[in-house]
Amino acid sequence: AQSVTQLGSHVSVSEGALVLLRCNYSSSVPPYLFWYVQYPNQGLQLLLKYTSAATLVKGINGFEAEFKKSETSFHLTKPSAHMSDAAEYFCAVSDFTGGGNKLTFGTGTQLKVEL
Amino acid sequence: NAGVTQTPKFQVLKTGQSMTLQCAQDMNHEYMSWYRQDPGMGLRLIHYSVGAGITDQGEVPNGYNVSRSTTEDFPLRLLSAAPSQTSVYFCASSYAWRGPYEQYFGPGTRLTVT
Repeated sequence: AQSVTQLGSHVSVSEGALVLLRCNYSSSVPPYLFWYVQYPNQGLQLLLKYTSAATLVKGINGFEAEFKKSETSFHLTKPSAHMSDAAEYFCAVSDFTGGGNKLTFGTGTQLKVEL
Repeated sequence: NAGVTQTPKFQVLKTGQSMTLQCAQDMNHEYMSWYRQDPGMGLRLIHYSVGAGITDQGEVPNGYNVSRSTTEDFPLRLLSAAPSQTSVYFCASSYAWRGPYEQYFGPGTRLTVT
């Protein structure tokens, strides 16, 4: 079975500082990996995805993530945090065993951006 | 396009009651799924469907039932509500069930079972 571990349930950064949200995965096959963002009282929105085309993936709102097979990691970064980035972020791995585009999510990281 | 819509937004049930959470999408998506979100646990898959007439269980299916008679609709039924089913429920859809297609999420239904 595939799984995802997000280190740090809460991360706090200053506005303008680097954002780094950590995600490690476990998979018996080459994975598809995703980052989703959830703003308060809303559904999830796709930030970016890794599908083996390129190890450095750029997403919306200035976020990017790098797939590192040797470290089984897919950390999310943004060079300069903005107040509007405050949200909960979920890393997910795609599981195609048994059919279906099933996502296994991590437990989420709440990002707080302070002035 | 309205995308993925869910009704109701909020619901309070008493233990033992049944209800149906509605989900609809207008994107002609093949794949639809239901997740529940609980604090500290992320989202967990309840049931999914790879097309009209085809459904299967996810990670936490007990106490829930689904059917998919049309491409657009994928209702989730709680057979006999229990306090453990207090959660936020999200419906999602994607273009196809094979391949890393983006899943589009609805706004969620917040359910409380007393």
